[in-house]
Amino acid sequence: DAGVIQSPRHEVTEMGQEVTLRCKPISGHDYLFWYRQTMMRGLELLIYFNNNVPIDDSGMPEDRFSAKMPNASFSTLKIQPSEPRDSAVYFCASRETFESTEAFFGQGTRLTVV
Amino acid sequence: LAKTTQPISMDSYEGQEVNITCSHNNIATNDYITWYQQFPSQGPRFIIQGYKTKVTNEVASLFIPADRKSSTLSLPRVSLSDTAVYYCLVVIYNQGGKLIFGQGTELSVKP
Repeated sequence: DAGVIQSPRHEVTEMGQEVTLRCKPISGHDYLFWYRQTMMRGLELLIYFNNNVPIDDSGMPEDRFSAKMPNASFSTLKIQPSEPRDSAVYFCASRETFESTEAFFGQGTRLTVV
Repeated sequence: LAKTTQPISMDSYEGQEVNITCSHNNIATNDYITWYQQFPSQGPRFIIQGYKTKVTNEVASLFIPADRKSSTLSLPRVSLSDTAVYYCLVVIYNQGGKLIFGQGTELSVKP
């Protein structure tokens, strides 16, 4: 397996624009996580899914953020409208089962909102 | 929520053994302890997990005392390539097993 694949790797957008980040988890993994990393706040868990169903979205900062997982092999994180304070590295991770503590992370998407 | 506390930074030299201790005073019976490593511009990578006593793999050892209120990650004979941020996590299964990262320990290995 190629691991968790995120796209794009880099995104620069203007304030107010819609941004969509994409993630392909490892095949067969039941759990998918979205994280955001900044120098100030570290690694924050935004939302996670189990079998395509959102389980906990308490980390989603505002209504401007939304995440979907239409099937087991694809998830999106959307920001609409984007703001400069959304600039961060966004990571997607997948985990095989509930019992496993090993999550596999993608390379991340570096988002810059100007 | 089992909050973790670990040193913000540590320095070491090549060839030395490095021990990073994490405290998790509120750990619950069903919770597991896991450690991740993160290099700049990469996502975190799983290193090791444990429940109690000692666990060893090809990368590190994890020591957990009987009360499980702390854990120590031991990296034998570090090299420059071990320079990274190391995160201690408590996996809380009664909250869906979500992985919450703390501030991490920035390890700098010098020649």
